[in-house]
Amino acid sequence: DAGVIQSPRHEVTEMGQEVTLRCKPISGHNSLFWYRQTMMRGLELLIYFNNNVPIDDSGMPEDRFSAKMPNASFSTLKIQPSEPRDSAVYFCASSWREGGLSYFGPGTRLTVT
Amino acid sequence: EDQVTQSPEALRLQEGESSSLNCSYTVSGLRGLFWYRQDPGKGPEFLFTLYSAGEEKEKERLKATLTKKESFLHITAPKPEDSATYLCAVQEVDSSYKLIFGSGTRLLVRP
Repeated sequence: DAGVIQSPRHEVTEMGQEVTLRCKPISGHNSLFWYRQTMMRGLELLIYFNNNVPIDDSGMPEDRFSAKMPNASFSTLKIQPSEPRDSAVYFCASSWREGGLSYFGPGTRLTVT
Repeated sequence: EDQVTQSPEALRLQEGESSSLNCSYTVSGLRGLFWYRQDPGKGPEFLFTLYSAGEEKEKERLKATLTKKESFLHITAPKPEDSATYLCAVQEVDSSYKLIFGSGTRLLVRP
């Protein structure tokens, strides 16, 4: 298996632009997580999907952030409009069941100038 | 408020010099404690899960232990390839999915 796939790996954008991060979970996994990692706050859970349904979005920082999971093999995290403080590494992770071991993708490093 | 604290923030060791990393936690009830390794530019990679006080897990030069308040990751005779950031995360008993991560310990093993 290729593991969790994320794209792009690096994204540089200007403040105010829309940013879309993409994730393909491991086949057969029914739980998907989006995390954000910064030096100041470490790894934080943004949103959790189970069977393509958002279960917990309490970690989404603002309405500028939105996430979708249209099917079991694809999820997006969108930031609109982006701000410099959104600069971070965004990780997607998946597990084969709720409470199961999470496998992380390689991350997307986002820089907003 | 629930908290996961890792110490030290950074650790430099000579190859072969054994040491321990600490993860202390305060949660209302522990479902599980997880150790991950993270290399630069990569996502966290799972190492161990511990569920109850007294439990121990080993993998090559690493051994993780758990008490009611903290976990230790013991590194015996480390090698340069053990250099990485080690992350600890806890899962509360009333959450079947949420991991609360510590800030990590950056380990550098010099040859």
